[in-house]
Amino acid sequence: AQSVSQHNHHVILSEAASLELGCNYSYGGTVNLFWYVQYPGQHLQLLLKYFSGDPLVKGIKGFEAEFIKSKFSFNLRKPSVQWSDTAEYFCAVNAQRSNTGKLIFGQGTTLQVKP
Amino acid sequence: NAGVMQNPRHLVRRRGQEARLRCSPMKGHSHVYWYRQLPEEGLKFMVYLQKENIIDESGMPKERFSAEFPKEGPSILRIQQVVRGDSAAYFCASSSTGYEQYFGPGTRLTVT
Repeated sequence: AQSVSQHNHHVILSEAASLELGCNYSYGGTVNLFWYVQYPGQHLQLLLKYFSGDPLVKGIKGFEAEFIKSKFSFNLRKPSVQWSDTAEYFCAVNAQRSNTGKLIFGQGTTLQVKP
Repeated sequence: NAGVMQNPRHLVRRRGQEARLRCSPMKGHSHVYWYRQLPEEGLKFMVYLQKENIIDESGMPKERFSAEFPKEGPSILRIQQVVRGDSAAYFCASSSTGYEQYFGPGTRLTVT
């Protein structure tokens, strides 16, 4: 069965620090990969996605992620975080050959950025 | 283009009552997904529907839960005879392609 693991449950950083959130998945086939963000009191928003092509994907608000197929990983990065990046971050996958498109989510990582 | 709408945003039910959660997808989206987020856990897939059809209900509990997406009107997630363990946030997502999903604000169900 597919599963997604996010290594860090709670991350605390100071403004301007660099961010890397880990995400690993288990699935033998080809996958689509997503990072979603949920700001306090708001709904999930798509940060970035990977379907195929360049494994380095750029998203909104300065975020990027790198797909490393050999490591089954899709880590999220940002060179310099801001206080407004405080939120919960979810990694998700779906199987490309699936005809349902259902997303399998990781447990989420809460990021707290101190001003 | 309005986003995915869910109502109510908060719902309180006593044990044994029924809960009805509504989801209006984005305009032009014919794929609807329901997910549940229990406290301290990530989102778990429940069901995937297209207009008038349930495509995948592999994540739905076998009893008391049902979903529909009629030809007209919103998608409905129905929970009969709610129990305390049903307390959670229920998120709806819609898609035009079946892959890139846009989420609604969620309904927070509390069972007392």
